[in-house]
Amino acid sequence: TQLLEQSPQFLSIQEGENLTVYCNSSSVFSSLQWYRQEPGEGPVLLVTVVTGGEVKKLKRLTFQFGDARKDSSLHITAAQPGDTGLYLCAANDYKLSFGAGTTVTVRA
Amino acid sequence: DTGVSQDPRHKITKRGQNVTFRCDPISEHNRLYWYRQTLGQGPEFLTYFQNEAQLEKSRLLSDRFSAERPKGSFSTLEIQRTEQGDSAMYLCASSLEGIGEAFFGQGTRLTVV
Repeated sequence: TQLLEQSPQFLSIQEGENLTVYCNSSSVFSSLQWYRQEPGEGPVLLVTVVTGGEVKKLKRLTFQFGDARKDSSLHITAAQPGDTGLYLCAANDYKLSFGAGTTVTVRA
Repeated sequence: DTGVSQDPRHKITKRGQNVTFRCDPISEHNRLYWYRQTLGQGPEFLTYFQNEAQLEKSRLLSDRFSAERPKGSFSTLEIQRTEQGDSAMYLCASSLEGIGEAFFGQGTRLTVV
């Protein structure tokens, strides 16, 4: 059983559309990270959320941490082909544990 | 560039051979992680070190896998008697203790033929 459940597993949208990726767990975390990974490369850290209810924005990306610190979401506004990649959430439960990821494809 | 570096980037080996990968973490980071990743999946935890101490090793990890971090600096991951099922991307990451933000290397792609 995965500690972190990500949904959907795959997402294919047209350029300019919005998308949301979810990361859920039954456990409470002290912090949660979102990473983006391109084929053949290592994951790149996008953001860390720490406080329940926290919202962070990174250009067109909005990250939210649930009030109970058990879940998080990533919303991309007006997606671009450059947003294509594998989006991973990870939680620090004394070691860093990852969800299975959401593969996002943005079509031009 | 003072990021995490891994060597080699790619390794092709015959089944039954031993392979060793190296990871150089960010210099001030005391935690170092090894993960394995197959196509389209999230990284699977293998083991992690705090300084030179190996604090946890995944129960899923075969005895053919061993990792070291002498002197708390670079780390090596060795796979003995490789099998085709070992083919994957092996990722190394480092972080500061108590802070979840980990920084990854570019990975070593292992292909066992």
